[in-house]
Amino acid sequence: DTAVSQTPKYLVTQMGNDKSIKCEQNLGHDTMYWYKQDSKKFLKIMFSYNNKELIINETVPNRFSPKSPDKAHLNLHINSLELGDSAVYFCAVSDASYEQYFGPGTRLTVT
Amino acid sequence: RKEVEQDPGPFNVPEGATVAFNCTYSNSASQSFFWYRQDCRKEPKLLMSVYSSGNEDGRFTAQLNRASQYISLLIRDSKLSDSATYLCVVLYNDMRFGAGTRLTVKP
Repeated sequence: DTAVSQTPKYLVTQMGNDKSIKCEQNLGHDTMYWYKQDSKKFLKIMFSYNNKELIINETVPNRFSPKSPDKAHLNLHINSLELGDSAVYFCAVSDASYEQYFGPGTRLTVT
Repeated sequence: RKEVEQDPGPFNVPEGATVAFNCTYSNSASQSFFWYRQDCRKEPKLLMSVYSSGNEDGRFTAQLNRASQYISLLIRDSKLSDSATYLCVVLYNDMRFGAGTRLTVKP
């Protein structure tokens, strides 16, 4: 079983659309994260959730919203997509040690 | 000054070589430190946590110098499979990633 999974793996969409990326973990870890890796390969944290509560919210546009229906899932909703949103989005999970385990990534292309 | 800085490389080394990477961080109150590796078009994977006393895992040795605010990663007897980007990660309130150091090990 994959510890951290994401769907879809690839997402191509037009500007202005609304899309969601799903993340699921089976490790039972308390904290889940969303990261964005842009074309320069720089990895930046966007959000983290601990026990269904948002504990970090980086200065990302409010078009991005994380939603956690339960402890095993943290989905990322993006409204009114822009060209600059094109990137690879990674979900990650960690326990109290802060060692993180990443999902395989979702490559988003906005045209 | 960037929060986490790494030499982007690339480092090109022959098989069997020893190679070392350094990473500096700006916040002296940083709490935890990690090295991750990322292969091309793949997710980052935890290589090792970095402990205050230094730690070793096979061919890999990590060191932390709090006074000078840097961490290091030493790879001995490099293998072709070590070719990847190595990411330095520092925890201060949240996780801060360095931009990575690209390593290529050649036959």
